[in-house]
Amino acid sequence: EDQVTQSPEALRLQEGESSSLNCSYTVSGLRGLFWYRQDPGKGPEFLFTLYSAGEEKEKERLKATLTKKESFLHITAPKPEDSATYLCAGTVSGGYNKLIFGAGTRLAVHP
Amino acid sequence: DGGITQSPKYLFRKEGQNVTLSCEQNLNHDAMYWYRQDPGQGLRLIYYSQIVNDFQKGDIAEGYSVSREKKESFPLTVTSAQKNPTAFYLCASSILPTGAFDQPQHFGDGTRLSIL
Repeated sequence: EDQVTQSPEALRLQEGESSSLNCSYTVSGLRGLFWYRQDPGKGPEFLFTLYSAGEEKEKERLKATLTKKESFLHITAPKPEDSATYLCAGTVSGGYNKLIFGAGTRLAVHP
Repeated sequence: DGGITQSPKYLFRKEGQNVTLSCEQNLNHDAMYWYRQDPGQGLRLIYYSQIVNDFQKGDIAEGYSVSREKKESFPLTVTSAQKNPTAFYLCASSILPTGAFDQPQHFGDGTRLSIL
């Protein structure tokens, strides 16, 4: 069964304390691995797409990486405004861009 | 500014009532999707459409219906047959997959549906 699992469920960091969020996936024929940020009461905001093992993408304090079994979202020197839920999703072969989401990691960054 | 507009932001349903959630996009995307989000769970796909006048069931379509009469619009009706409709509903759109790779979906800001 295609599945995406995120860990930890929740993470509390001090401002400036770097860390990583994990997304492990067991999907057949991965056609894309996507990271989103979701603020309370809002829709997910697209961050990154990764397609191939070894690929990396960066945006400000965030860097996403992909291996054959998992993806990491590295947060360097986080700020309170980075507090949000981070969602990981994969799409599988099947031709219609079906996203399988993990349950998310709730990140809280305290000053 | 291009984007996806969902309305209303909050909606209340009485027992036995059908309600319709609106989703409009001006991104010129061919594909549109409806998801349901419950606390502690990942988003789950209700329906999707890749082209006007065509749509397919997702993983949890029972108790829901959709239409796609225009490229820009993909309304979702929550029928009285959906016994547990309280959730956050998200609409998304994307361009169609290109070759072996899928394209990111972009989301609206959701509609929160509650039961009276």
